[in-house]
Amino acid sequence: SQQGEEDPQALSIQEGENATMNCSYKTSINNLQWYRQNSGRGLVHLILIRSNEREKHSGRLRVTLDTSKKSSSLLITASRAADTASYFCATDGSGGSNYKLTFGKGTLLTVNP
Amino acid sequence: DVKVTQSSRYLVKRTGEKVFLECVQDMDHENMFWYRQDPGLGLRLIYFSYDVKMKEKGDIPEGYSVSREKKERFSLILESASTNQTSMYLCASSLSGQGYNEQFFGPGTRLTVL
Repeated sequence: SQQGEEDPQALSIQEGENATMNCSYKTSINNLQWYRQNSGRGLVHLILIRSNEREKHSGRLRVTLDTSKKSSSLLITASRAADTASYFCATDGSGGSNYKLTFGKGTLLTVNP
Repeated sequence: DVKVTQSSRYLVKRTGEKVFLECVQDMDHENMFWYRQDPGLGLRLIYFSYDVKMKEKGDIPEGYSVSREKKERFSLILESASTNQTSMYLCASSLSGQGYNEQFFGPGTRLTVL
């Protein structure tokens, strides 16, 4: 079953603008991850935020996590055309198989030059 | 760098054929996964394996089987391919242990069943 749900489904912005994508999930988690997928390719891990963290940065990426609302956001600052891709959030379960991830359906980001 | 390779990028098969999709990882990861990805449905887990010869069903195992005879290799088998198995198939691997569940993906195999 799908746990993470990204919002919006699609986002189109101009180069240099910031892009924000949101993810909501249903059950308790140990951590939440964001992945990127370029068209027709495999997924690439971007960033992991643990359930006891509220914010994490990596380069132009900023991820926030609100466990009380069961939601996360991914902010890409100063976007570039090369950021055009689909972005997925993935959650694990706080009990049982913590190595198994459940992926959302993704947000398609288009950055126009 | 972790590398996950898949045997084919594109594959075309006929209905009823037996299809093997191979995945190899070179980082000594314990866990390996097979997903299929379809438009509007996202990634759905077919099977995963947490050790050699061990496997567990994912969310959509029907019509598929898997084999893991060696740690580095995880095969997905379509016993009798059907047109509704036309999809992008993604293999991934990860380490075991709390907090070590970042998954590394292969490039994908786009399978078309005619």
